[in-house]
Amino acid sequence: EAGVVQSPRYKIIEKKQPVAFWCNPISGHNTLYWYLQNLGQGPELLIRYENEEAVDDSQLPKDRFSAERLKGVDSTLKIQPAELGDSAVYLCASSFGDARQQYFGPGTRLTVT
Amino acid sequence: SQELEQSPQSLIVQEGKNLTINCTSSKTLYGLYWYKQKYGEGLIFLMMLQKGGEEKSHEKITAKLDEKKQQSSLHITASQPSHAGIYLCGAEQGAQKLVFGQGTRLTINP
Repeated sequence: EAGVVQSPRYKIIEKKQPVAFWCNPISGHNTLYWYLQNLGQGPELLIRYENEEAVDDSQLPKDRFSAERLKGVDSTLKIQPAELGDSAVYLCASSFGDARQQYFGPGTRLTVT
Repeated sequence: SQELEQSPQSLIVQEGKNLTINCTSSKTLYGLYWYKQKYGEGLIFLMMLQKGGEEKSHEKITAKLDEKKQQSSLHITASQPSHAGIYLCGAEQGAQKLVFGQGTRLTINP
């Protein structure tokens, strides 16, 4: 069974440019999470989806960040415009039904110059 | 909100030695997860603890949740180079939401 897939794995952009990250969860997993992980820190939840619905986006900086999960499968996280402080690893995770264990993808490492 | 403090922040041990990583919570733990992360990779699930006093083992790694459910420890016996990485504890905070500690970086010297 394939794990959570994320792309790109690495991205370098200049500040003020837009950037998008893509996540494909494990097949059948209805819950999808986006996390932000700063260097030397643990992951922090940005947004959680139950199928197509964003059920927890309280930590998502909505002035520049947006996310979507069309058809309740793949998801895209966008930043526009990017700032230097956005340099971090963006992790996607998924889980099934009421199961509490989350399965993580490899992450996208973003560098903003 | 719940906060998790891990100690030590980094650890360097000789191969073959035992080690312990601690995770202390500001609130009662109702579900405590241990994950391992290697540089450039995602988190790999190790174990989950729920009950006070619970202890789980997998190969040479043992995790415990104390009776008061505010502290967990992860113990590695006879460490190997494959154990190197970042260990993260995560606590359930409401439905399907995890709050993580800052991580412990483990280095194994041959």
